[in-house]
Amino acid sequence: DTGVSQDPRHKITKRGQNVTFRCDPISEHNRLYWYRQTLGQGPEFLTYFQNEAQLEKSRLLSDRFSAERPKGSFSTLEIQRTEQGDSAMYLCASGATNEKLFFGSGTQLSVL
Amino acid sequence: AQSVTQPDIHITVSEGASLELRCNYSYGATPYLFWYVQSPGQGLQLLLKYFSGDTLVQGIKGFEAEFKRSQSSFNLRKPSVHWSDAAEYFCAVGEGGADGLTFGKGTHLIIQP
Repeated sequence: DTGVSQDPRHKITKRGQNVTFRCDPISEHNRLYWYRQTLGQGPEFLTYFQNEAQLEKSRLLSDRFSAERPKGSFSTLEIQRTEQGDSAMYLCASGATNEKLFFGSGTQLSVL
Repeated sequence: AQSVTQPDIHITVSEGASLELRCNYSYGATPYLFWYVQSPGQGLQLLLKYFSGDTLVQGIKGFEAEFKRSQSSFNLRKPSVHWSDAAEYFCAVGEGGADGLTFGKGTHLIIQP
Protein backbone atom coordinates (compact mmCIF):
# COMPACT_ATOMS: atom_id res chain seq x y z
CA ASP A 1 0.00 0.00 0.00
CA THR A 2 1.85 3.05 -1.27
CA GLY A 3 -0.94 5.49 -0.44
CA VAL A 4 -2.59 8.05 -2.66
CA SER A 5 -0.03 9.90 -4.72
CA GLN A 6 -0.51 13.35 -6.22
CA ASP A 7 1.69 15.15 -8.69
CA PRO A 8 2.97 17.81 -8.66
CA ARG A 9 3.12 18.84 -5.01
CA HIS A 10 3.26 22.49 -5.95
CA LYS A 11 2.32 24.37 -9.10
CA ILE A 12 2.80 28.06 -9.80
CA THR A 13 1.21 29.40 -12.93
CA LYS A 14 0.22 32.67 -14.52
CA ARG A 15 -3.37 33.67 -14.86
CA GLY A 16 -4.86 32.36 -18.09
CA GLN A 17 -2.63 29.32 -18.34
CA ASN A 18 -3.89 25.74 -18.26
CA VAL A 19 -2.75 23.32 -15.57
CA THR A 20 -3.18 19.59 -15.09
CA PHE A 21 -2.83 17.59 -11.91
CA ARG A 22 -2.51 13.86 -11.55
CA CYS A 23 -3.74 11.52 -8.85
CA ASP A 24 -2.69 7.90 -8.48
CA PRO A 25 -5.09 6.21 -6.07
CA ILE A 26 -4.39 3.12 -4.05
CA SER A 27 -4.58 0.23 -6.45
CA GLU A 28 -7.93 -1.55 -6.64
CA HIS A 29 -9.76 1.37 -5.07
CA ASN A 30 -12.81 1.87 -7.23
CA ARG A 31 -13.85 5.21 -5.74
CA LEU A 32 -11.92 8.40 -6.42
CA TYR A 33 -12.70 11.94 -5.31
CA TRP A 34 -11.31 15.39 -5.95
CA TYR A 35 -11.62 18.08 -3.31
CA ARG A 36 -10.45 21.69 -3.16
CA GLN A 37 -9.25 23.33 0.03
CA THR A 38 -8.58 27.02 0.47
CA LEU A 39 -6.80 28.63 3.39
CA GLY A 40 -8.83 28.48 6.57
CA GLN A 41 -11.49 26.26 5.08
CA GLY A 42 -12.29 22.59 5.05
CA PRO A 43 -12.05 20.58 1.85
CA GLU A 44 -14.90 21.10 -0.63
CA PHE A 45 -16.12 18.26 -2.80
CA LEU A 46 -15.48 18.73 -6.51
CA THR A 47 -16.14 15.45 -8.27
CA TYR A 48 -16.44 11.70 -7.82
CA PHE A 49 -15.52 8.68 -9.94
CA GLN A 50 -16.73 5.14 -9.57
CA ASN A 51 -14.15 3.25 -11.60
CA GLU A 52 -13.90 5.21 -14.87
CA ALA A 53 -17.34 6.78 -14.64
CA GLN A 54 -17.68 10.33 -13.36
CA LEU A 55 -20.87 10.06 -11.34
CA GLU A 56 -21.08 13.39 -9.60
CA LYS A 57 -19.85 16.93 -10.11
CA SER A 58 -20.21 19.79 -7.69
CA ARG A 59 -21.66 23.10 -8.76
CA LEU A 60 -18.29 24.48 -7.66
CA LEU A 61 -16.78 22.81 -10.71
CA SER A 62 -17.04 25.44 -13.44
CA ASP A 63 -16.77 24.65 -17.14
CA ARG A 64 -13.06 25.45 -16.94
CA PHE A 65 -12.54 22.37 -14.81
CA SER A 66 -12.48 18.87 -16.25
CA ALA A 67 -11.56 15.58 -14.67
CA GLU A 68 -10.95 12.19 -16.18
CA ARG A 69 -10.21 8.70 -15.03
CA PRO A 70 -9.79 6.94 -18.35
CA LYS A 71 -8.93 3.43 -17.24
CA GLY A 72 -10.40 3.49 -13.78
CA SER A 73 -6.96 3.88 -12.25
CA PHE A 74 -5.21 7.27 -12.17
CA SER A 75 -7.14 10.49 -12.58
CA THR A 76 -6.34 13.92 -13.94
CA LEU A 77 -7.86 17.27 -13.08
CA GLU A 78 -7.38 20.04 -15.62
CA ILE A 79 -8.09 23.71 -15.09
CA GLN A 80 -8.24 25.84 -18.20
CA ARG A 81 -7.66 29.59 -18.28
CA THR A 82 -6.72 29.69 -14.62
CA GLU A 83 -7.89 32.55 -12.44
CA GLN A 84 -6.46 33.83 -9.17
CA GLY A 85 -9.49 32.43 -7.38
CA ASP A 86 -8.40 28.95 -8.43
CA SER A 87 -5.44 29.16 -6.05
CA ALA A 88 -5.99 26.37 -3.55
CA MET A 89 -4.88 22.94 -2.44
CA TYR A 90 -6.38 20.24 -4.65
CA LEU A 91 -6.84 16.97 -2.80
CA CYS A 92 -7.46 13.53 -4.18
CA ALA A 93 -8.92 10.66 -2.17
CA SER A 94 -9.63 7.04 -2.95
CA GLY A 95 -11.45 4.22 -1.30
CA ALA A 96 -12.88 0.77 -1.82
CA THR A 97 -16.63 0.25 -1.66
CA ASN A 98 -17.95 0.92 1.86
CA GLU A 99 -14.44 1.51 3.14
CA LYS A 100 -12.81 4.64 4.46
CA LEU A 101 -11.22 7.22 2.20
CA PHE A 102 -7.49 7.73 1.96
CA PHE A 103 -6.32 11.22 1.06
CA GLY A 104 -3.24 12.27 -0.84
CA SER A 105 -1.01 15.15 0.29
CA GLY A 106 -2.48 17.41 -2.35
CA THR A 107 -1.30 19.73 -5.08
CA GLN A 108 -0.90 23.35 -4.01
CA LEU A 109 -1.81 25.66 -6.89
CA SER A 110 -0.78 29.30 -6.91
CA VAL A 111 -2.11 31.46 -9.73
CA LEU A 112 -0.20 34.72 -10.14
CA ALA B 1 -28.44 20.31 2.45
CA GLN B 2 -25.95 18.82 4.82
CA SER B 3 -23.58 21.07 6.74
CA VAL B 4 -20.98 20.90 9.48
CA THR B 5 -20.15 23.58 12.02
CA GLN B 6 -16.96 23.65 14.02
CA PRO B 7 -17.46 26.63 16.33
CA ASP B 8 -13.85 26.93 17.46
CA ILE B 9 -11.37 28.19 14.90
CA HIS B 10 -8.42 27.89 17.29
CA ILE B 11 -7.98 26.00 20.53
CA THR B 12 -4.93 26.15 22.78
CA VAL B 13 -4.34 23.33 25.26
CA SER B 14 -1.45 22.59 27.56
CA GLU B 15 0.42 19.37 26.97
CA GLY B 16 -1.04 16.64 29.14
CA ALA B 17 -4.39 18.38 29.49
CA SER B 18 -7.65 17.01 28.19
CA LEU B 19 -9.14 18.11 24.87
CA GLU B 20 -12.60 18.46 23.42
CA LEU B 21 -13.24 19.72 19.89
CA ARG B 22 -16.82 20.56 19.04
CA CYS B 23 -18.72 19.56 15.93
CA ASN B 24 -22.37 20.12 15.07
CA TYR B 25 -23.95 18.79 11.92
CA SER B 26 -27.07 19.12 9.85
CA TYR B 27 -28.07 16.06 7.84
CA GLY B 28 -31.39 14.81 6.57
CA ALA B 29 -30.93 11.14 7.32
CA THR B 30 -28.90 9.11 9.75
CA PRO B 31 -25.48 10.69 9.43
CA TYR B 32 -22.18 9.10 8.76
CA LEU B 33 -19.72 11.18 10.79
CA PHE B 34 -15.97 11.46 10.59
CA TRP B 35 -13.05 13.23 12.22
CA TYR B 36 -9.91 13.85 10.19
CA VAL B 37 -6.58 15.36 11.18
CA GLN B 38 -4.33 17.30 8.85
CA SER B 39 -0.73 18.17 9.68
CA PRO B 40 1.26 20.69 7.62
CA GLY B 41 2.28 19.16 4.32
CA GLN B 42 0.35 15.99 5.05
CA GLY B 43 -2.82 14.56 3.66
CA LEU B 44 -5.97 14.14 5.70
CA GLN B 45 -5.85 11.19 8.04
CA LEU B 46 -8.98 9.55 9.37
CA LEU B 47 -9.09 9.51 13.17
CA LEU B 48 -12.44 7.80 13.61
CA LYS B 49 -15.88 7.38 12.10
CA TYR B 50 -19.44 6.73 13.21
CA PHE B 51 -21.90 4.84 11.06
CA SER B 52 -24.23 3.21 13.56
CA GLY B 53 -24.29 1.30 16.84
CA ASP B 54 -22.39 2.39 19.92
CA THR B 55 -22.48 6.17 20.11
CA LEU B 56 -19.02 6.35 21.67
CA VAL B 57 -16.43 5.50 19.07
CA GLN B 58 -12.75 4.93 19.59
CA GLY B 59 -10.19 6.05 17.08
CA ILE B 60 -6.49 6.10 16.51
CA LYS B 61 -3.96 8.02 18.58
CA GLY B 62 -6.11 7.83 21.72
CA PHE B 63 -9.00 9.89 20.34
CA GLU B 64 -12.65 9.17 20.87
CA ALA B 65 -15.88 10.85 19.82
CA GLU B 66 -19.44 10.69 21.02
CA PHE B 67 -22.47 10.92 18.74
CA LYS B 68 -25.39 12.72 20.34
CA ARG B 69 -28.39 12.72 18.06
CA SER B 70 -30.44 15.01 20.30
CA GLN B 71 -27.76 17.69 20.09
CA SER B 72 -26.70 16.96 16.50
CA SER B 73 -23.16 16.80 17.80
CA PHE B 74 -20.11 14.63 17.33
CA ASN B 75 -17.44 16.04 19.63
CA LEU B 76 -13.90 14.75 19.59
CA ARG B 77 -12.08 14.11 22.85
CA LYS B 78 -8.70 13.05 24.12
CA PRO B 79 -7.86 12.67 27.82
CA SER B 80 -4.26 13.83 27.56
CA VAL B 81 -2.81 15.65 24.57
CA HIS B 82 0.75 15.37 23.30
CA TRP B 83 2.73 18.03 21.47
CA SER B 84 2.46 15.90 18.33
CA ASP B 85 -1.31 16.38 18.35
CA ALA B 86 -0.89 19.97 17.16
CA ALA B 87 -2.65 20.04 13.79
CA GLU B 88 -5.85 21.00 12.01
CA TYR B 89 -8.87 18.89 12.83
CA PHE B 90 -11.86 18.50 10.54
CA CYS B 91 -15.26 17.08 11.24
CA ALA B 92 -17.15 15.72 8.24
CA VAL B 93 -20.57 14.29 7.46
CA GLY B 94 -21.83 12.17 4.61
CA GLU B 95 -21.72 8.69 3.25
CA GLY B 96 -18.60 9.13 1.20
CA GLY B 97 -20.63 8.01 -1.78
CA ALA B 98 -21.48 9.99 -4.86
CA ASP B 99 -22.09 13.13 -2.83
CA GLY B 100 -18.72 12.99 -1.16
CA LEU B 101 -18.12 14.33 2.31
CA THR B 102 -19.06 17.75 3.67
CA PHE B 103 -16.33 19.12 5.87
CA GLY B 104 -16.38 21.76 8.57
CA LYS B 105 -13.96 24.66 8.40
CA GLY B 106 -11.63 23.01 10.85
CA THR B 107 -10.23 23.69 14.30
CA HIS B 108 -6.57 24.56 14.65
CA LEU B 109 -5.15 22.90 17.75
CA ILE B 110 -2.18 24.52 19.44
CA ILE B 111 -0.33 22.68 22.19
CA GLN B 112 1.41 24.72 24.86
CA PRO B 113 4.43 23.20 26.63
